[in-house]
Amino acid sequence: GAVVSQHPSWVICKSGTSVKIECRSLDFQATTMFWYRQFPKQSLMLMATSNEGSKATYEQGVEKDKFLINHASLTLSTLTVTSAHPEDSSFYICSARDLRQQAVEQFFGPGTRLTVL
Amino acid sequence: SQQGEEDPQALSIQEGENATMNCSYKTSINNLQWYRQNSGRGLVHLILIRSNEREKHSGRLRVTLDTSKKSSSLLITASRAADTASYFCATDAADDYKLSFGAGTTVTVRA
Repeated sequence: GAVVSQHPSWVICKSGTSVKIECRSLDFQATTMFWYRQFPKQSLMLMATSNEGSKATYEQGVEKDKFLINHASLTLSTLTVTSAHPEDSSFYICSARDLRQQAVEQFFGPGTRLTVL
Repeated sequence: SQQGEEDPQALSIQEGENATMNCSYKTSINNLQWYRQNSGRGLVHLILIRSNEREKHSGRLRVTLDTSKKSSSLLITASRAADTASYFCATDAADDYKLSFGAGTTVTVRA
């Protein structure tokens, strides 16, 4: 299957700082990328959907000013957690899909563990 | 968004036994997918079953889909210690391209 990478794989930051997480599709072009958050022992919750070249669509309850998403190219989407607080500590996972091909599969990145002190 | 329920929440079995977990969902789907996640790691795609399919096999995995009951099951046969993980079903809804994940089943295989 196709490969999606995330960087960094883990990050520790101080409360009030901003953290950027990158999601790259390495061997295919992703028209659409999805960002999920997973708290310990819980399932994945979709935060937002980003389409290349347009604004992200956020799920209900997700603050768009806090979780900034940019999908500037067909291979890169970034999630910036602004003014991070301890409650933002979580496992963030991205996935990528090429809807031009009506592709069925989504390919998931390995995740980024964020710890806010 | 989370549209599925999974049961059981947790399952502990002996190596060599079979493990069965179920997933129910609420809306019409294009397909249903099963994923495995080892503790603290990313997702591994196991199998995809389309809405017009009823059963699918992949190695020791068998998935069924009953769209009339809006439910699916995953059977792992002859389990191994390496199968210890959390298993999630995810539905690809008919009206959008998002995947919605179930709550997951944590499987522990005892050696």
